[in-house]
Amino acid sequence: AQRVTQPEKLLSVFKGAPVELKCNYSYSGSPELFWYVQYSRQRLQLLLRHISRESIKGFTADLNKGETSFHLKKPFAQEEDSAMYYCALSGRGGADGLTFGKGTHLIIQP
Amino acid sequence: KAGVTQTPRYLIKTRGQQVTLSCSPISGHRSVSWYQQTPGQGLQFLFEYFSETQRNKGNFPGRFSGRQFSNSRSEMNVSTLELGDSALYLCASSLAAGGAYEQYFGPGTRLTVT
Repeated sequence: AQRVTQPEKLLSVFKGAPVELKCNYSYSGSPELFWYVQYSRQRLQLLLRHISRESIKGFTADLNKGETSFHLKKPFAQEEDSAMYYCALSGRGGADGLTFGKGTHLIIQP
Repeated sequence: KAGVTQTPRYLIKTRGQQVTLSCSPISGHRSVSWYQQTPGQGLQFLFEYFSETQRNKGNFPGRFSGRQFSNSRSEMNVSTLELGDSALYLCASSLAAGGAYEQYFGPGTRLTVT
């Protein structure tokens, strides 16, 4: 069975400090990994996906197959980064529906 | 262009009743997925429809069903409601089938079962 684990329910960092949101997954094949974000009073939306290898709003995430991790990082946090972040996995090369982690609430303190 | 819309936004039902939720995808999107969000279990995949066919189904009992119409609009039905079905139900649309395509989420329908 596929599973996504986000060990931190809440993460609080100061503005300007580095941010790392952890995501570990369990899947026997080749998964597609994603980060979705939900800002206050907004809808859930895609932040980035591992296959595109791009940086969005300063965030990057590297798929580490050896450690089965897909941690989200940003070198300098900004107050507008405060939001709920969800790591998600799609099996069978992306053909399956999304399996989400339980989310991490990121709070950026001024 | 208009985003994903869900109706109704809020619903209160009694145990044993049934309920139908509706989702209108973004114009041109042919895939609609449904998710249940609860504080305890988080976001869980219910099912995905593409071209009026169910492609994938999550680990939910048969009381949860859905369908998709030729205009890609989708409905989700829950029969014999239980207290544990109280949740936020989200639908998401995408251009094509599978989680690899960007999912555009609706605002959700908040279902309360009393």
